[in-house]
Amino acid sequence: TQLLEQSPQFLSIQEGENLTVYCNSSSVFSSLQWYRQEPGEGPVLLVTVVTGGEVKKLKRLTFQFGDARKDSSLHITAAQPGDTGLYLCAGEEGGTGNEKLTFGTGTRLTIIP
Amino acid sequence: NAGVTQTPKFRVLKTGQSMTLLCAQDMNHEYMYWYRQDPGMGLRLIHYSVGEGTTAKGEVPDGYNVSRLKKQNFLLGLESAAPSQTSVYFCASRAGIGISGANVLTFGAGSRLTVL
Repeated sequence: TQLLEQSPQFLSIQEGENLTVYCNSSSVFSSLQWYRQEPGEGPVLLVTVVTGGEVKKLKRLTFQFGDARKDSSLHITAAQPGDTGLYLCAGEEGGTGNEKLTFGTGTRLTIIP
Repeated sequence: NAGVTQTPKFRVLKTGQSMTLLCAQDMNHEYMYWYRQDPGMGLRLIHYSVGEGTTAKGEVPDGYNVSRLKKQNFLLGLESAAPSQTSVYFCASRAGIGISGANVLTFGAGSRLTVL
C-alpha cells in the first residue's frame, strides 16, 4: 500500500491570506487528484494532475505535481470562507494496481472571516 | 441524475448485530468502492469491485463483506459489528480506467454508523 502524507493536518487562517498544503509520498503515482469535502457530504474532485511538473489553476487555487510524481501541492491565494473544508489528495498507481486510488490523510482548512 | 445514493444515512448498532449498507449508482459505472473515514486517517479502502459479479479486498477488509450482484448496486455488510467499526462509510463509483475523464470518483453523501 502506497502512503500519502498530507501537511499540515489542520490549518486556520484569516480571510485574504495565502496558504499552501502538501501531499507527499515515497512512491511514484501515475496521476494525482485533489478533492474537497464539506461537512455531511462526500469528497468532490477539484483537479487531476498527470504529468511530472504539471501546474493547473482553478481560479484562486494552484495545483502542482512534483517532477518525480511523488508529491503535490495546493496553493490558495487570498483565501475565502468558502474555501473552508477538508482537502484530500489521492494517488493512482500505474500498471496493474491502477484500479484503486490511495487517499492522503487530509488537511482540514478553516478560513476565518 | 441522483449520482451515488447511500442508505441508510445514519444507523446505531449494538455490538454483535449485523447490518447492510446499500450503495446505488445510476451512471452505468463499472467500478465501485467502499471507504471508511476516521478522524486524521483520510479515506481507507475496504472493498471494491471492477464489475458486476466481482469483488476485491482493499486496505482494511476485515470484518466486512461485499456483494455486486447488479452493476448499479454495491452492498457492504457487517456480520458482527464491533465498536471499532464506528465510522463514516462512503461509497464511490468511477467509469473505468484508461478512459479519458473516467478516473474521477463520484462519492455518495456517506453513512454514519455507530456501534455501541
